[in-house]
Amino acid sequence: QKEVEQDPGPLSVPEGAIVSLNCTYSNSAFQYFMWYRQYSRKGPELLMYTYSSGNKEDGRFTAQVDKSSKYISLFIRDSQPSDSATYLCAMSEVFNKFYFGSGTKLNVKP
Amino acid sequence: DGGITQSPKYLFRKEGQNVTLSCEQNLNHDAMYWYRQDPGQGLRLIYYSQIVNDFQKGDIAEGYSVSREKKESFPLTVTSAQKNPTAFYLCASEGSPYSNQPQHFGDGTRLSIL
Repeated sequence: QKEVEQDPGPLSVPEGAIVSLNCTYSNSAFQYFMWYRQYSRKGPELLMYTYSSGNKEDGRFTAQVDKSSKYISLFIRDSQPSDSATYLCAMSEVFNKFYFGSGTKLNVKP
Repeated sequence: DGGITQSPKYLFRKEGQNVTLSCEQNLNHDAMYWYRQDPGQGLRLIYYSQIVNDFQKGDIAEGYSVSREKKESFPLTVTSAQKNPTAFYLCASEGSPYSNQPQHFGDGTRLSIL
């Protein structure tokens, strides 16, 4: 079983839709959770970083962590064509050992 | 601007050849990492270094080598022993090993076989 599972998509939505991206994990010791956005032929760019459980909001983005279910989510409100990218989740128990999902490809249609 | 610079952007390797990928950061970060990204797979850790002159193998170190002679630089050599080197290689850095800060990435090097 992989440490982190992420649906590869692709996920295709119309502009303005609310997007929900998710990851599940198996290691209950994970306590740092991150979402990265990766455009084609570019490196991952950090979007959200949360510690332990709860929600964090930044503009149109909301990250949720449910440690009891070992499930994390990223919500994107009012999605834009510029949000079209691959979204990677990542998590760690302690820093310098990160586990990444395989990424979900999102396409926002104008 | 502070950041991580990877070069070259594209690299081609001939059979039996070693090639070196460059990674430089001006973020004054202590820890640096090399990952390999293949389609449909998550990032896989090749090597990491927490301080100068010290580095550790990651999950897929075979066929790769690194050095860390300067804080700013962490080059990766893909040796001829790596039989399937075609991939997107990403370098990352982190403030310090226990700074509780996430990793930041460069824009990658795409390596292909000639």
